[in-house]
Amino acid sequence: SQTIHQWPATLVQPVGSPLSLECTVEGTSNPNLYWYRQAAGRGLQLLFYSVGIGQISSEVPQNLSASRPQDRQFILSSKKLLLSDSGFYLCAWRPDDVGLAGLYEQYFGPGTRLTVT
Amino acid sequence: QKEVEQDPGPLSVPEGAIVSLNCTYSNSAFQYFMWYRQYSRKGPELLMYTYSSGNKEDGRFTAQVDKSSKYISLFIRDSQPSDSATYLCAMSAINTNAGKSTFGDGTTLTVKP
Repeated sequence: SQTIHQWPATLVQPVGSPLSLECTVEGTSNPNLYWYRQAAGRGLQLLFYSVGIGQISSEVPQNLSASRPQDRQFILSSKKLLLSDSGFYLCAWRPDDVGLAGLYEQYFGPGTRLTVT
Repeated sequence: QKEVEQDPGPLSVPEGAIVSLNCTYSNSAFQYFMWYRQYSRKGPELLMYTYSSGNKEDGRFTAQVDKSSKYISLFIRDSQPSDSATYLCAMSAINTNAGKSTFGDGTTLTVKP
């Protein structure tokens, strides 16, 4: 079966510090991967998605970047955090066989709660 | 205007009640509809998915899609305190770029014992 991991679970960082959040998926190959941010009491904002190694698409211009150095590894980074970067960061995956019924749902990790102080 | 609108709630019901959660959408290309449940401080988990119009039942949960009205619903029968969570609807167009989904903002449900 497939599992998705995220770490760290909780992070408190000062403004201006760097950030690296990691997401890994087990039990599948060539998944589509996604990074979302969820502000308190709000919906999911798609930040980045990736269809393969080294392929990153950005949805919203911002202070963050993403990388996919390996097939099942997705990293979210920042060189200098802003107060507005605080939130709940979620990684998700889905199979890559687009067009087949039953394969549009995404599976989420446990999330990382980031507080920028 | 957002592509997907969801009643924000909060919704509070007594145990055993029937709950109706709803979303409307504007993009007629959406054909794949999903419901996720998110407990506090956890990642969303997939509850159900449906393809095109119609109903789908899974235990106490029924997902309903009315494409003519661009309206989807999730019904919870015999609601339990363990159903207390935020419910997110999500939608995709077939063959959409990288399988992206558009999510509603969620409805927070509390089921009181």
